Amino acid sequence: EAQVTQNPRYLITVTGKKLTVTCSQNMNHEYMSWYRQDPGLGLRQIYYSMNVEVTDKGDVPEGYKVSRKEKRNFPLILESPSPNQTSLYFCASSMRGWGYGYTFGSGTRLTVV
Amino acid sequence: QQQVKQSPQSLIVQKGGISIINCAYENTAFDYFPWYQQFPGKGPALLIAIRPDVSEKKEGRFTISFNKSAKQFSLHIMDSQPGDSATYFCAASVMNAGGTSYGKLTFGQGTILTVHP
Repeated sequence: EAQVTQNPRYLITVTGKKLTVTCSQNMNHEYMSWYRQDPGLGLRQIYYSMNVEVTDKGDVPEGYKVSRKEKRNFPLILESPSPNQTSLYFCASSMRGWGYGYTFGSGTRLTVV
Repeated sequence: QQQVKQSPQSLIVQKGGISIINCAYENTAFDYFPWYQQFPGKGPALLIAIRPDVSEKKEGRFTISFNKSAKQFSLHIMDSQPGDSATYFCAASVMNAGGTSYGKLTFGQGTILTVHP
């Protein structure tokens, strides 16, 4: 089944403890992206990648890191999480080209206390 | 700074009615405008998309209307059904001259649609 897989689905952590949210897609998509979803703010793009070793900042990159060493994987790293990073996170991937929409994962609910 | 502004925040419609969600954008470089539908506990899914060289696109009960001069676009859901109850997001992106997306997609704030039976 073609899909974007995120892990974990739920995570509670403490301020300052480094964490990684994994994302993997099995559709051979060039583009991958991370979004956070907050009530009243919609989806805001954190980082995106157009190919292996090519990443760029989205609208809210502060406090996050990403890497794209393989085409299928695009982990999101929070080096020192803070409570304002409590959110619902989505990974997404897309083929390159007009008309191809992003396929989203099921989300990771992160709580930082 | 929200580059894509969406309204209303929430919308209640009776079964069989028309649901209308509006979006306005500021960046005149945007040239790809998709709409996404999100059900509770799920990630958003592409519903329908339009490019600014057309003023309207229809797929089944869903229609996008686009007004380039006003920098506005809207989603119309005809004959709304309870199964359409979801959160809807408009979005905008810049496609390069080759028709391939730069990968950066900006979303609106979302509209929670409730269709009463």
